[in-house]
Amino acid sequence: QLLESGGGLVQPGGSLRLSCAASGFTFNKHAMGWVRQAPGKGLEWVSSISASGANSYYADSVKGRFTISRDNSKNTLYLQMSSLRVEDTAVYYCVKGHSAYGFLFDCWGQGTLVTVSS
Amino acid sequence: EVVLTQSPGSLSLSPGERATLSCRASQSVSSNYLAWYHRKPGQAPRLLIYGTSTRASGIPDRFSGGGSGTDFTLTISRLEPEDFAVYYCQHYGSSPWTFGQGTKVEIK
Repeated sequence: QLLESGGGLVQPGGSLRLSCAASGFTFNKHAMGWVRQAPGKGLEWVSSISASGANSYYADSVKGRFTISRDNSKNTLYLQMSSLRVEDTAVYYCVKGHSAYGFLFDCWGQGTLVTVSS
Repeated sequence: EVVLTQSPGSLSLSPGERATLSCRASQSVSSNYLAWYHRKPGQAPRLLIYGTSTRASGIPDRFSGGGSGTDFTLTISRLEPEDFAVYYCQHYGSSPWTFGQGTKVEIK
C-alpha cells in the first residue's frame, strides 16, 4: 500500500514536500517514483529513485527544481518541489517499481493534488 | 525520447464486444519493454500488461498484449462492465519513461 500526503495549494515560485508512506512490501528492495497527471491530461513520469537511494532520475520538466529522496528506515518516499509553476498543477502519484524492472510501476497510491495558483 | 501515440483517442463499445487499442512508438522500444495500465474513475492506475504480452498478477486472461518494435496492441476479448476506463501504454526501457496520451473505452 502507498499513501501520499503533503499536497495542497501553493503560489507560483513556492515550495512543497510530498511524502509517501509504504507498507506491505520490503521497501528497501524496490525502486520508487512519482508520476503526475495534470487536469485533463495524460500520465507523466516525474522522478524515480533506486532502492538504495544512490541513484535518482528526473524528467526534463522538473530537473533542477524537484528532488526525490527516501528514508528506508521509515519506509517513506519524498518529493521536494521548489520553484513551482502553474503547469506543475496535477495529481501526484507515488509508484512502486517492479522487482525486476525498476521503472515499471506495479503499485500506485491514490494520489495527492498539488495546485499551483496565485 | 520515445514518444508514444495511442489510437483511437476514444472507443465506444458494448459489454461483450472486443476492444483493440493501439500504441505506436516514435522509435523501436528496447527489448519490448512496453506496458499497459488502466485507470478507472476515482481509482489509481493499475498495471495490466508488461513485456508487451505478460499479464500482471491478478489480471484476467481476456486482456492480451502483442506487437514488437514500434507497434503494439492491447486487446480485450470480451468487455466486462468494469473494463470501461482509460488505458495507457508506457515504455520502461530507457529514460525518460514516457506514457501515451491514453485511450478512453466508453460504454456504448
